[in-house]
Amino acid sequence: DTAVSQTPKYLVTQMGNDKSIKCEQNLGHDTMYWYKQDSKKFLKIMFSYNNKELIINETVPNRFSPKSPDKAHLNLHINSLELGDSAVYFCASSPTSRGADTQYFGPGTRLTVL
Amino acid sequence: LAKTTQPISMDSYEGQEVNITCSHNNIATNDYITWYQQFPSQGPRFIIQGYKTKVTNEVASLFIPADRKSSTLSLPRVSLSDTAVYYCLVGDGSSARQLTFGSGTQLTVLP
Repeated sequence: DTAVSQTPKYLVTQMGNDKSIKCEQNLGHDTMYWYKQDSKKFLKIMFSYNNKELIINETVPNRFSPKSPDKAHLNLHINSLELGDSAVYFCASSPTSRGADTQYFGPGTRLTVL
Repeated sequence: LAKTTQPISMDSYEGQEVNITCSHNNIATNDYITWYQQFPSQGPRFIIQGYKTKVTNEVASLFIPADRKSSTLSLPRVSLSDTAVYYCLVGDGSSARQLTFGSGTQLTVLP
């Protein structure tokens, strides 16, 4: 059983388009995250939700909007895609919102903006 | 903003012990140190976590000096399959505060 799953795995799109990435966890965790990993493997947190409430919102363009319909799902919608948005996006979850909690990552979504 | 610092890359040979050090000078009292491993085309996965002194599990050991301003991940007798990126993360045990993963250390194990 996949603990943290993301769809799609690959996403190729044109500049200016709007796209969404979905994430689901079946671990019963309270907290979920979105990370962006660039080509140099720099892994940076973007957002964190705890029980559907936004608790971490790093400096991310307003074009990125997370949505958590329930605590098992955290989706990422991106408007007006730009070339610089090309990266691998990882979803993760943890039992609680404590920074020291072990995080469980999904397989990643490789976004390519042309 | 406090951050962690690791070497960008390291090379080793099969069968050797590898030590990767992470610097976290501004670590706070409630912070724990966690190491993650990431293989190509996969998400990071937990390896080991510690607060102070030494922690050992079936995969690795984690050494943390008394001042806790650094930590060293030790991988005994590495094999080719240990080639991966290793990230050090410092996170608060009582709040949501955590430091960024950064770029990690690319470990390449050579035959």
